[in-house]
Amino acid sequence: LAKTTQPVSMDSYEGQEVNITCSHNNIATNDYITWYQQFPSQGPRFIIQGYKTKVTNEVASLFIPADRKSSTLSLPRVSLSDTAVYYCLVESAGNMLTFGGGTRLMVKP
Amino acid sequence: EPEVTQTPSHQVTQMGQEVILRCVPISNHLYFYWYRQILGQKVEFLVSFYNNEISEKSEIFDDQFSVERPDGSNFTLKIRSTKLEDSAMYFCASNFRGGASDTQYFGPGTRLTVL
Repeated sequence: LAKTTQPVSMDSYEGQEVNITCSHNNIATNDYITWYQQFPSQGPRFIIQGYKTKVTNEVASLFIPADRKSSTLSLPRVSLSDTAVYYCLVESAGNMLTFGGGTRLMVKP
Repeated sequence: EPEVTQTPSHQVTQMGQEVILRCVPISNHLYFYWYRQILGQKVEFLVSFYNNEISEKSEIFDDQFSVERPDGSNFTLKIRSTKLEDSAMYFCASNFRGGASDTQYFGPGTRLTVL
């Protein structure tokens, strides 16, 4: 099972772009990289998933270099409501998700 | 947008009592999951369920826990004899295909407080 490492916390200001990098040196060939967001007392919410290169959706972009040993979640122009914990998951075979400690993002006015 | 629902939102019980947490997964999903999150800690996998049987379970999911899909819509987690350390948020999740590439959709959770 690939282990992920991401910053414990980050601060940002409204309107800024936020990049959260996750390292996963032992990622396996079949692993996908998935990011979830969690607000206090709520269930995790899917943000984005990718396998390689770049993926973009309406809320975020995910950059994955060729070696796939890291990934960067990019949140454009954050607002106060983006204050949450962001989890990077590397999903291996099977159905269970393994959550790490996540990155606690604080967006300030 | 369809979503996973859970009831109750908060359950308070006495140690040793049985509790049943209920979930209604997204209607066309085939794989169902329970996770828990003790206050201030990580989200932990408990069990996955497919085709009316458990497909994976963690070490946490011991004999005190059981899951059931009693009808075509509900998915339940039963804790037979609750302990203080069972106090946590319990999240239900579901997806259609299972596996690494299929997004799991989480419910809002049930906060279980064991006194």
